[in-house]
Amino acid sequence: NAGVTQTPKFQVLKTGQSMTLQCAQDMNHEYMSWYRQDPGMGLRLIHYSVGAGITDQGEVPNGYNVSRSTTEDFPLRLLSAAPSQTSVYFCASGGHYEKLFFGSGTQLSVL
Amino acid sequence: GNSVTQMEGPVTLSEEAFLTINCTYTATGYPSLFWYVQYPGEGLQLLLKATKADDKGSNKGFEATYRKETTSFHLEKGSVQVSDSAVYFCALMGRETSGSRLTFGEGTQLTVNP
Repeated sequence: NAGVTQTPKFQVLKTGQSMTLQCAQDMNHEYMSWYRQDPGMGLRLIHYSVGAGITDQGEVPNGYNVSRSTTEDFPLRLLSAAPSQTSVYFCASGGHYEKLFFGSGTQLSVL
Repeated sequence: GNSVTQMEGPVTLSEEAFLTINCTYTATGYPSLFWYVQYPGEGLQLLLKATKADDKGSNKGFEATYRKETTSFHLEKGSVQVSDSAVYFCALMGRETSGSRLTFGEGTQLTVNP
């Protein structure tokens, strides 16, 4: 009963490097999303998807790309990491207009 | 647009004290309202929810009532325990947006001392 699985749990990057944060869910949810959590700012939506092949931008999409080729997977790509992207990233999935299930998070530091 | 405002934290209480964490919202239409909890080092878990005005969500001794007239969804617990120490997030899901998009408040850190 895995739920939402995120990898890696921790990552350190140098400015300008690229990487992909992985997210997979086994609940057959159509909706998946990525949030970043910063102190005093709650969680802010980066990108989301309402189904395979469909993605859209959230509040803070700049510097991030996503794709949704399958129902299960929703990777988040950092194209050229910047110190401002140091944050904790959460993937979440759910049915439409239902509660969201969250992964355990990825703590990213960009030096 | 939609927004959620939570009382400023952190909040420190003694065990068995009464807890209130204030939450107010701005939204068009009739959003669903949620409280999520985040324990140290973990992701967010749904604590309770309410989907329409005057609904009361409850779980693990926590309660919150959807008050449309005051646009509020305050979280309460009559007697907190050390194990309740966590960060609490108020959130709303608007029906006019795509899918299950949640808008979060800033979060309130609760510490309960023995």
